Amino acid sequence: LAKITQPISMDSYEGQEVNITCSHNNIATNDYITWYQQFPSQGPRFIIQGYKTKVTNEVASLFIPADRKSSTLSLPRVSLSDTAVYYCLGYPMNRDDKIIFGKGTRLHILP
Amino acid sequence: NAGVTQTPKFRVLKTGQSMTLLCAQDMNHEYMYWYRQDPGMGLRLIHYSVGEGTTAKGEVPDGYNVSRLKKQNFLLGLESAAPSQTSVYFCASSYIRLKAANTGELFFGEGSRLTVL
Repeated sequence: LAKITQPISMDSYEGQEVNITCSHNNIATNDYITWYQQFPSQGPRFIIQGYKTKVTNEVASLFIPADRKSSTLSLPRVSLSDTAVYYCLGYPMNRDDKIIFGKGTRLHILP
Repeated sequence: NAGVTQTPKFRVLKTGQSMTLLCAQDMNHEYMYWYRQDPGMGLRLIHYSVGEGTTAKGEVPDGYNVSRLKKQNFLLGLESAAPSQTSVYFCASSYIRLKAANTGELFFGEGSRLTVL
């Protein structure tokens, strides 16, 4: 399983773009990068997943460079409701295995 | 469609008591997981199951047992509760990841808050 490093916390203001970078130097060939979002008193929910290059959906974009040693979650024009903990995970898509979350990044959006 | 349901949502135990947390999913998912969440620690995997009748240890399995007798249910047991097991417990389930086009997305329950005095 990939060893994940991400910032413990970040602050930003409403309306700004927020980028959260995740380091995964030892990511395996079959590992996919997946991001989850967790609001207080709720379970995490899936945001986005990618293998390399760029993936975009209605919530966020995910940028993964060619060497795949890091990835960046981009949240466009954040609002107060984007205040949450964001988890970066790496796990294989081709076999059964445990899924490890880590401590995540606590994002605080200020008015 | 209820998704993932955890029972009970709140429980207070005395040290040494036993209890079972029930996780039920109605999405026909193969994989199921139990995590615990403590302040500042993120989510830590306790046990998981990749199919009916199978279980495996996660990061912090000591003091817990699990069973997956039916595909839709995953039970987490505490035989002799300790104050260190005070936590919020989350259950999750997902489709099998060995099939193409599946993201392996985990679907979480609302959590069960356990306090051990």
